[in-house]
Amino acid sequence: KNQVEQSPQSLIILEGKNCTLQCNYTVSPFSNLRWYKQDTGRGPVSLTIMTFSENTKSNGRYTATLDADTKQSSLHITASQLSDSASYICVVSATGTASKLTFGTGTRLQVTL
Amino acid sequence: AAGVIQSPRHLIKEKRETATLKCYPIPRHDTVYWYQQGPGQDPQFLISFYEKMQSDKGSIPDRFSAQQFSDYHSELNMSSLELGDSALYFCASSLGGKSQPQHFGDGTRLSIL
Repeated sequence: KNQVEQSPQSLIILEGKNCTLQCNYTVSPFSNLRWYKQDTGRGPVSLTIMTFSENTKSNGRYTATLDADTKQSSLHITASQLSDSASYICVVSATGTASKLTFGTGTRLQVTL
Repeated sequence: AAGVIQSPRHLIKEKRETATLKCYPIPRHDTVYWYQQGPGQDPQFLISFYEKMQSDKGSIPDRFSAQQFSDYHSELNMSSLELGDSALYFCASSLGGKSQPQHFGDGTRLSIL
């Protein structure tokens, strides 16, 4: 069964600090992995999308890594801001099933003063 | 930049009534996806359309139907509504391709009384 697990479930950090969110998946055959940011009551917003051959991708203060061998990904947030408070969802797509995304459980990040 | 537009944002219905949710994709996007997100749950894929044809089907109940029109907007029709249908319904669009990011709308919150 395709699964995506994220850790930690929740995280509280001080503004300006860095943090790293983890994602482990068992989706096969792997097509791509996406990180989304979801504010409460809003639709998920794509941060990065990575295919098998990519092992790192940055989007501003967000840097995602992918290790296709160990089936792990991480999202590193640098110099966090209050507006980074949201849920971060790891989503994995299997080859041949463009529409069938497997969503992770998400990490709820709270950035405080 | 134009985003995915969903309407209405909020909808209240009673059991056994019908509802129609609308989704207007980003201009030139040819693929539309529908997701259902229950309280505290991951978004669950319902159905997708590519170039006005159904391209994939997920956990969409038989009471629901959907279509994509010639202008690429999509409608999700829901009949015989049940209490369990109360959820946030997201629409996403993409410009084809398995590795293209899905851009999500802000969702329609459906409440069944």
